[in-house]
Order: sequence, then structure tokens, then C-alpha cells
Amino acid sequence: DAGVIQSPRHEVTEMGQEVTLRCKPISGHNSLFWYRQTMMRGLELLIYFNNNVPIDDSGMPEDRFSAKMPNASFSTLKIQPSEPRDSAVYFCASSFRVQETQYFGPGTRLLVL
Amino acid sequence: SQQGEEDPQALSIQEGENATMNCSYKTSINNLQWYRQNSGRGLVHLILIRSNEREKHSGRLRVTLDTSKKSSSLLITASRAADTASYFCATETQGGSEKLVFGKGTKLTVNP
Repeated sequence: DAGVIQSPRHEVTEMGQEVTLRCKPISGHNSLFWYRQTMMRGLELLIYFNNNVPIDDSGMPEDRFSAKMPNASFSTLKIQPSEPRDSAVYFCASSFRVQETQYFGPGTRLLVL
Repeated sequence: SQQGEEDPQALSIQEGENATMNCSYKTSINNLQWYRQNSGRGLVHLILIRSNEREKHSGRLRVTLDTSKKSSSLLITASRAADTASYFCATETQGGSEKLVFGKGTKLTVNP
């Protein structure tokens, strides 16, 4: 299995631009998670899906952030418009069930100038 | 708010020594998991211990759980330079959201 796949691995953009991060979970996993990691705030859960349905988006910082999971093998996290404070590493993770072991992707390192 | 808090924040030891990291949490849990993160990489699951278990082993890793003290420890025996990484505990709380909540991690450096 290829594991959780994220793209792009690195993104540099200017303030105000739209950013779209992509994730392909492990085949057969029913739960998908989006995290953000910074030095200041550590690892934060932004949103998670179960069977393609968003369950908890209480961690999404503001309306500029949105996430979709149109099918079991693909999810996107979009930031529009992006701001410098959004600079972080964004991780996608998947698991067979919500409470079980999570498998993390390699992350997308985002820099907003 | 953070559920699990690791202690210490940073730990530096020599190769061959044992490393102990602690995690304290606030509310009752169903299970507690430990993850490792190498620099620039995603987190990797190490071990899961359920609330009715007291100790679990996996290779050079030993995890203990004391639900009365709401704490867990991760022991790495005979450490190697390759164990250099950040270690996180994650808890799934009873009666609450099913999601895991991660601590801020302990940064372990093993010097050759």
C-alpha cells in the first residue's frame, strides 16, 4: 500500500491567493483527518470525515478554510484567501475507524508570503 | 484545549541509555496512543493502550498507563541515534467526541 498521499508537498504562495491541498487516504479506511502543525500551537485537528461525511469541523480556524470529501478516495482542504498566519505544515491522516490508529501522510509545507 | 501534555518538552541522552517520556491528561479516556514524528515527516503510530490495560510492550518500547493518576509513560530502552524524534501522546476521551487529541510532544535527541 502506498500509504496516505498528499499533494503538493510544498507550496509557496502570496497573501490573498487560493490554496488547495489534496489527500488520498489509504484504501479501505473510513475516516479522514486534516491537521495543522506549527511550532506555536503544535498539532491541531481541523476537521475529520467519517464515510465521506464531515463529523467535526470545530477546529477549522475561520470561514476562509473549507474541506470536502467527494468520495472515499479523495479529500481537499482549501484556504481562500490565504494569509501569512496560515503558514504551517498540513497533514492528512486516515484510519479504519475514527478511534483507531491513524496513518499520516507526509504533509504539505505551506508558506504564505 | 489540550488533553494530553507530554513531559519533558525536550530530552537529550546518550546512545544506549533509556529514555522516559510522560503524558498527563485531564478527563477519563477509552485509550491512549503514542506516536513518533521524525523531522519533516508525518506522525507514525507506535502503540495503543486501552483504559483497562496497565502495561504494554513492543520491541524496545514499554508503555504504562495509570488511570488513577491520569498519566502514561513511554520508555525506550537501549536508545539509538535513530530514535531521535518527537514523541506525542494522543487520547480518545470517554463520552466525548471520538476524535484523538494530541499533546505538544517531547523532542528526544539521542547522541551517538
